[in-house]
Amino acid sequence: EAGVAQSPRYKIIEKRQSVAFWCNPISGHATLYWYQQILGQGPKLLIQFQNNGVVDDSQLPKDRFSAERLKGVDSTLKIQPAKLEDSAVYLCASSSYILAGVPAGELFFGEGSRLTVL
Amino acid sequence: SQQGEEDPQALSIQEGENATMNCSYKTSINNLQWYRQNSGRGLVHLILIRSNEREKHSGRLRVTLDTSKKSSSLLITASRAADTASYFCATAPYNAGNNRKLIWGLGTSLAVNP
Repeated sequence: EAGVAQSPRYKIIEKRQSVAFWCNPISGHATLYWYQQILGQGPKLLIQFQNNGVVDDSQLPKDRFSAERLKGVDSTLKIQPAKLEDSAVYLCASSSYILAGVPAGELFFGEGSRLTVL
Repeated sequence: SQQGEEDPQALSIQEGENATMNCSYKTSINNLQWYRQNSGRGLVHLILIRSNEREKHSGRLRVTLDTSKKSSSLLITASRAADTASYFCATAPYNAGNNRKLIWGLGTSLAVNP
């Protein structure tokens, strides 16, 4: 079974520039997550999709971050314009088992996209 | 807010020793999950324990859950250098209304010295 695919693995940009990350979840997984992980911290949920609908985006800085999951499969996370504090690893995860909206099974993570904003 | 809190924050042991990490949480849970993250890599799921379970094993891993104390522990027996990684606990809330996302701790950094 193929895992969660993410690209690019690394990206360096200047502040105020834009960047986009792509994620292809495990086939058949209805739930897709984007997390931000700053060095030395745990993952912070940015947005959760169930199929192509948004379940939770309460911690997504909507003035600069956007995400979409067209057709309920792969997803793109965009940052525009980037700030220095956006330097982090952006992790995509997917899962197949949600019970009453609660993650009831394991999440499968991609390798992450490491963003450096200069 | 971060519900899961792991301790210790960092742990250094010799190969062959056992490593124990703890996770505390604040609200009722549906399940608690442990993940491992090697440096520069994504997270890998280790074990999921449901609120009605007290102990689970997987190979050299043993997880316990004490819902009365709102805590869990992860024991790695006979550690190996390859176990060097950060370990995170994540809790799935029980009947939490709109707040249904996994709550992650800050992680325990484990170093296993050859």
